[in-house]
Amino acid sequence: DGGITQSPKYLFRKEGQNVTLSCEQNLNHDAMYWYRQDPGQGLRLIYYSQIVNDFQKGDIAEGYSVSREKKESFPLTVTSAQKNPTAFYLCASRPTGGYNEQFFGPGTRLTVL
Amino acid sequence: DAKTTQPNSMESNEEEPVHLPCNHSTISGTDYIHWYRQLPSQGPEYVIHGLTSNVNNRMASLAIAEDRKSSTLILHRATLRDAAVYYCILSRLYGGATNKLIFGTGTLLAVQP
Repeated sequence: DGGITQSPKYLFRKEGQNVTLSCEQNLNHDAMYWYRQDPGQGLRLIYYSQIVNDFQKGDIAEGYSVSREKKESFPLTVTSAQKNPTAFYLCASRPTGGYNEQFFGPGTRLTVL
Repeated sequence: DAKTTQPNSMESNEEEPVHLPCNHSTISGTDYIHWYRQLPSQGPEYVIHGLTSNVNNRMASLAIAEDRKSSTLILHRATLRDAAVYYCILSRLYGGATNKLIFGTGTLLAVQP
């Protein structure tokens, strides 16, 4: 079945460690996105990529980094520079061309201890 | 970015219609109106979107005011599975290809059996 996978569902890390969250899609979508969600809040855009080897900062990119070496994959690294990394992280993808819907993955809940 | 205003919460009874309002008084001519919904600990799910005319799909209907400053998502017969947070979002193309979704805090819909 086509879709977006994020792994793992729950992730625990010690403060000061970098951690990479996985996002893979087999929908053949060009555009991919990373969002962060805090309790009781809406989603905020971290980074997005319209095409392989290209990505743009969203509204809250500080302390995060991404890469887009393959169309199917858009990993997000939460660095030690991110002040409050504990959150629910959501990856999405979208076919380019017009106002198509974004398809979201199941999310990864990151807890930094 | 144009913002939307939604009630924090609403209640409905099962099998009855639900009208979820959204105000977007600062909407621009190129902004599309999107609705997504999110169940607890899951990624958001696309519901419907429109520009000027009312829209219908298998999930819901979208009624857009003539001046586009407000819209209403209509669930024709609420079921328990419709209990979720509903986000009304304005979206426009950035960089020619990628639409950017700006999430607010949404409306928490409770459905009573």
